[in-house]
Amino acid sequence: DTEVTQTPKHLVMGMTNKKSLKCEQHMGHRAMYWYKQKAKKPPELMFVYSYEKLSINESVPSRFSPECPNSSLLNLHLHALQPEDSALYLCASSQEGTSGRDTYEQYFGPGTRLTVT
Amino acid sequence: AQSVAQPEDQVNVAEGNPLTVKCTYSVSGNPYLFWYVQYPNRGLQFLLKYITGDNLVKGSYGFEAEFNKSQTSFHLKKPSALVSDSALYFCAVRDEAAGNKLTFGGGTRVLVKP
Repeated sequence: DTEVTQTPKHLVMGMTNKKSLKCEQHMGHRAMYWYKQKAKKPPELMFVYSYEKLSINESVPSRFSPECPNSSLLNLHLHALQPEDSALYLCASSQEGTSGRDTYEQYFGPGTRLTVT
Repeated sequence: AQSVAQPEDQVNVAEGNPLTVKCTYSVSGNPYLFWYVQYPNRGLQFLLKYITGDNLVKGSYGFEAEFNKSQTSFHLKKPSALVSDSALYFCAVRDEAAGNKLTFGGGTRVLVKP
């Protein structure tokens, strides 16, 4: 099973709302990722969690707050977003090698289409 | 720093003809190279990867890619394209020293016409 699930599929929120995106995988992967993708553009890395600890934050604004409650779950909490934050938000996961230099591919979820009004 | 270039925004091919999607990369160390495909309103699907070993890598759905170190290229190929191969294709690279951070190319839209 190479499935990464994401909920919700679509989300419309106002600039004053607080919402959360959820991601789940049951492949035993210990690295999980959040990406932002604009239409017809490549995914842009936002955050990386390795063994449930935040290892990479690509200078993402604080209105995006990631959380990794356990090795299978990854959340992205959203607050006071701007219209330009409207995008497809992708979650991914991958195995981790014991040396940290894993060579494993990332598996992506279907994404959450976010619209900020 | 690591980077990837996909020089063609779009590739058009007739069904049954060979398909090639080009990718060149730049890394400071040994490259780990990946190809992904994205269908409309979907996430990315992993096709194949090159880590080490044989320069010709075979992947899912009949796709293959050839690693060429001297030309720093990793072109994706399929001998006989299907209409269902129409999608957005991304090449990605990781420098072995970059941890688990992938850098994606800009993407190439493939349109296979019947």
